[in-house]
Amino acid sequence: EDQVTQSPEALRLQEGESSSLNCSYTVSGLRGLFWYRQDPGKGPEFLFTLYSAGEEKEKERLKATLTKKESFLHITAPKPEDSATYLCAVQARGGNQFYFGTGTSLTVIP
Amino acid sequence: GAGVSQTPSNKVTEKGKYVELRCDPISGHTALYWYRQSLGQGPEFLIYFQGTGAADDSGLPNDRFFAVRPEGSVSTLKIQRTERGDSAVYLCASSASGLYNSPLHFGNGTRLTVT
Repeated sequence: EDQVTQSPEALRLQEGESSSLNCSYTVSGLRGLFWYRQDPGKGPEFLFTLYSAGEEKEKERLKATLTKKESFLHITAPKPEDSATYLCAVQARGGNQFYFGTGTSLTVIP
Repeated sequence: GAGVSQTPSNKVTEKGKYVELRCDPISGHTALYWYRQSLGQGPEFLIYFQGTGAADDSGLPNDRFFAVRPEGSVSTLKIQRTERGDSAVYLCASSASGLYNSPLHFGNGTRLTVT
């Protein structure tokens, strides 16, 4: 069964304190792994797509990496405006559903 | 162009009533998805349309839930005989193609409260 597990559930960082969020997945052939940011009361906002192990994508203070079993979202020198819930989703080869994890709630304290 | 639009943004209804939730996807996007999100949870798949047809409705929880997309653009999620357990945020997403790694682009959802 396709499954996505994210950890930690919640993370509090001081401004400038770098860290990583984890997304472990089990899928019958990965078509793509997707990272989203969700602010309270809003829909998820697309950040990155990763397709194959070893791939990396960067956007401002965020960098996403992918292995055969997990993905990391690295946050370098975070700012308070990076506070949000970060969701990971996978899409299996031959399928059309996107399976989401429960997310990591990130709070960056000034 | 405009993003995915969902109306209403909030809906409060009494148990047993019928509700319709509307989604207007990004222009030109052929794939449309409905998800449901409860507090503290990730989005849960309900149904997927490719064009006008429901290509996968395996996530609909029971026959009280139904969705249509008659002209391949706007979609309506319909819930009959609502129950308190139906309370959640209903998210709509569209993508350029449901089959080829295109990411989902979400609306801001409809918050449904069943009293």
